[in-house]
Amino acid sequence: DAGVIQSPRHEVTEMGQEVTLRCKPISGHDYLFWYRQTMMRGLELLIYFNNNVPIDDSGMPEDRFSAKMPNASFSTLKIQPSEPRDSAVYFCASSWTGTDQPQHFGDGTRLSIL
Amino acid sequence: QKEVEQNSGPLSVPEGAIASLNCTYSDRGSQSFFWYRQYSGKSPELIMFIYSNGDKEDGRFTAQLNKASQYVSLLIRDSQPSDSATYLCAVNTDTGRRALTFGSGTRLQVQP
Repeated sequence: DAGVIQSPRHEVTEMGQEVTLRCKPISGHDYLFWYRQTMMRGLELLIYFNNNVPIDDSGMPEDRFSAKMPNASFSTLKIQPSEPRDSAVYFCASSWTGTDQPQHFGDGTRLSIL
Repeated sequence: QKEVEQNSGPLSVPEGAIASLNCTYSDRGSQSFFWYRQYSGKSPELIMFIYSNGDKEDGRFTAQLNKASQYVSLLIRDSQPSDSATYLCAVNTDTGRRALTFGSGTRLQVQP
């Protein structure tokens, strides 16, 4: 079975540019999560969706970040304009409904903002 | 205030020994507890999950949960060099919120 698929795997861009990260969850999963991981702050939840609807975006750092889920098989996380402090690994995860269901992570996107 | 606490390590154990990883959490209402393993440069990989007090065993791994004391632990028996990784504890700290809160992870080094 295909796992969570993220693209691109690596992104290097200059400050001020728009960055779009993409995620395809595991088929049938109705929860989708976006995380950011840095050495300093560890793994942080940015936003999560249930049935394509954003449920909690309290972890989104600022208005430069936005996320959408237009359908059950696709989500994007956009940063505009990007800044060097946005450099991190961004993970997408998905799970079945139910508080006891584990989350399955994609391979992540390593983002470097110069 | 950190909601999920882990010792950052590194925890160093010899090959074949038992590695014991611990995690404490602050929300008494927490219901679901997960252990993830993360190799350097890779994504977190689910190792085990536990919901009820007591022990849960899966191969060389045992998860232990004590809700009264608010801690969850992971024991790795017969540790192998391939077990060297960072182990992340994750807790569902809000039953209404659904999202997990992760600890900062414990780095385990298994010495051959």
